[in-house]
Amino acid sequence: QQQVKQSPQSLIVQKGGISIINCAYENTAFDYFPWYQQFPGKGPALLIAIRPDVSEKKEGRFTISFNKSAKQFSLHIMDSQPGDSATYFCAAVGYGSSNTGKLIFGQGTTLQVKP
Amino acid sequence: NAGVTQTPKFQVLKTGQSMTLQCAQDMNHNSMYWYRQDPGMGLRLIYYSASEGTTDKGEVPNGYNVSRLNKREFSLRLESAAPSQTSVYFCATKQGSSYNEQFFGPGTRLTVL
Repeated sequence: QQQVKQSPQSLIVQKGGISIINCAYENTAFDYFPWYQQFPGKGPALLIAIRPDVSEKKEGRFTISFNKSAKQFSLHIMDSQPGDSATYFCAAVGYGSSNTGKLIFGQGTTLQVKP
Repeated sequence: NAGVTQTPKFQVLKTGQSMTLQCAQDMNHNSMYWYRQDPGMGLRLIYYSASEGTTDKGEVPNGYNVSRLNKREFSLRLESAAPSQTSVYFCATKQGSSYNEQFFGPGTRLTVL
């Protein structure tokens, strides 16, 4: 079963706009939530990550919002730029009976920022 | 430093053929991983090695075998390739805690006809 569900599958935003990607998880043992960014032909690279003891983390134009009670988290890209066009993956990791510290990835969102 | 390298970059196989995907890292990381990436499925873990000398199954291990040759190298073998194994394969490495960053290689695009 898909333990981390990501939406939308694709997203088109105008330059300067806000891009929002959402993820939901089921396993309450998850306690670390990274986002990875992947450019065409490249491997994913860590963009930003959050622990559930905070509701928001901001790094430059990128912000993660976290809602522990709803088991949801989202990535906001402010002032989106054409260079942000990439595929974004949310992920989760934690310890519990069904997870041994391995990353579980969402399905991915392909973002296109139009100039 | 090269980071994480994968060979080959591209490969076309016929059904039933075998091949080995190679991964090497110069980051002195203990943990290494093999993922496959398919459209709409994200990245799914095939096998991982928490440290030299150990390997364990991930989410989708059927049809694959791995070898942790030494601390630097982690190979993925397809004994009898099937069209369902057409995918992009990524190797990744990580040091220490599960909360640390995973570093990915550039990937191998495999097509099985």
